[in-house]
Amino acid sequence: EAQVTQNPRYLITVTGKKLTVTCSQNMNHEYMSWYRQDPGLGLRQIYYSMNVEVTDKGDVPEGYKVSRKEKRNFPLILESPSPNQTSLYFCASSDRVGTYEQYFGPGTRLTVT
Amino acid sequence: GNSVTQMEGPVTLSEEAFLTINCTYTATGYPSLFWYVQYPGEGLQLLLKATKADDKGSNKGFEATYRKETTSFHLEKGSVQVSDSAVYFCALRIRGSQGNLIFGKGTKLSVKP
Repeated sequence: EAQVTQNPRYLITVTGKKLTVTCSQNMNHEYMSWYRQDPGLGLRQIYYSMNVEVTDKGDVPEGYKVSRKEKRNFPLILESPSPNQTSLYFCASSDRVGTYEQYFGPGTRLTVT
Repeated sequence: GNSVTQMEGPVTLSEEAFLTINCTYTATGYPSLFWYVQYPGEGLQLLLKATKADDKGSNKGFEATYRKETTSFHLEKGSVQVSDSAVYFCALRIRGSQGNLIFGKGTKLSVKP
């Protein structure tokens, strides 16, 4: 089954404790992206990657890091989480042909206390 | 810049009512337009899309027509069901861009039996 998976689905952590949210896709997509979803703000892009070893900032990259060492994986790293990073995070992937339809993961609910 | 504006929610309807969710866009280039749906507790799924002016996207009884003259892509359904309760996002992608989607803030729809 074609899918994007994220782990963990739920995470509660404390300020300053480094964490990683994993994202993996099995569709051989070149393009991957991370979004955060906040009430009243919709989805905002954090980082994206056009291919292995190619990443770029989205609209709200501060406080986040990403890496793309393999085509299927695109982890999101919070080196020193803060309460304002409490949010719902989505990973997405797409092929780079046609309409670039994006496939989304199920989301990761992060709470930073 | 590029942006998407959609009607504020929440929208509450009775089953079998007619649905319209307004979406207008501003784009510096020539966009492809999308509607995504997010059911409770899930990631976003592509509902329908249109890639050029006057195209009509349709799926699951939902329709939207790409209107270049009014820069709009309103979502409609003739008879909603309780199972249509979800958050709906309008989005655009500029052709020639790197695949990045620009989302509206989302409209929550609740359908009562």
